[in-house]
Amino acid sequence: AQSVTQLGSHVSVSEGALVLLRCNYSSSVPPYLFWYVQYPNQGLQLLLKYTSAATLVKGINGFEAEFKKSETSFHLTKPSAHMSDAAEYFCAVSAGRRALTFGSGTRLQVQP
Amino acid sequence: DTAVSQTPKYLVTQMGNDKSIKCEQNLGHDTMYWYKQDSKKFLKIMFSYNNKELIINETVPNRFSPKSPDKAHLNLHINSLELGDSAVYFCASSQERTGRGNTEAFFGQGTRLTVV
Repeated sequence: AQSVTQLGSHVSVSEGALVLLRCNYSSSVPPYLFWYVQYPNQGLQLLLKYTSAATLVKGINGFEAEFKKSETSFHLTKPSAHMSDAAEYFCAVSAGRRALTFGSGTRLQVQP
Repeated sequence: DTAVSQTPKYLVTQMGNDKSIKCEQNLGHDTMYWYKQDSKKFLKIMFSYNNKELIINETVPNRFSPKSPDKAHLNLHINSLELGDSAVYFCASSQERTGRGNTEAFFGQGTRLTVV
């Protein structure tokens, strides 16, 4: 079985501040982990993915995430938030042949 | 060219009607999916097909029937629509063919279904 928990359904930061979106996973086999972003009225777009290579993964738009097996975490960070980062962010896990299992999402608001 | 395209983008229909949502991908992927996103933004897998073969069929009412005429298309037909079916339905595809689940999915723009 696999599952994802995203801590915080809403996160608000000021423009230029650090962005930290939290994700913890549960998987009975080594997982593959993903972060997706969804802008209003749009589909989901891949930000980055962890597939058992480097534990620190860099993605698009300046985002990165670190896989920590001991903490079963895959938190998403960005050093400096932009207004254009405001969106819904989803963490997802895939283990074995199953499709992606998504977390409940975190809405990121960026204040000017 | 749009990689994964769904039609229609919006669908408003009455309870009891039957409707279909079409999905096509031009990425050459072997695997396609249908996800349902509810009003709280929660995304849940409904079905997945690999090269026209049904792989995943989650606990979905049998009023929902996926149809894959070829590996580039996965349509969703819904019979006897109910109010609770109102949601955004996303089609997706991936290169996943090894069963390892390590490839990302590419999503369509979604179809917002409203049942009145």
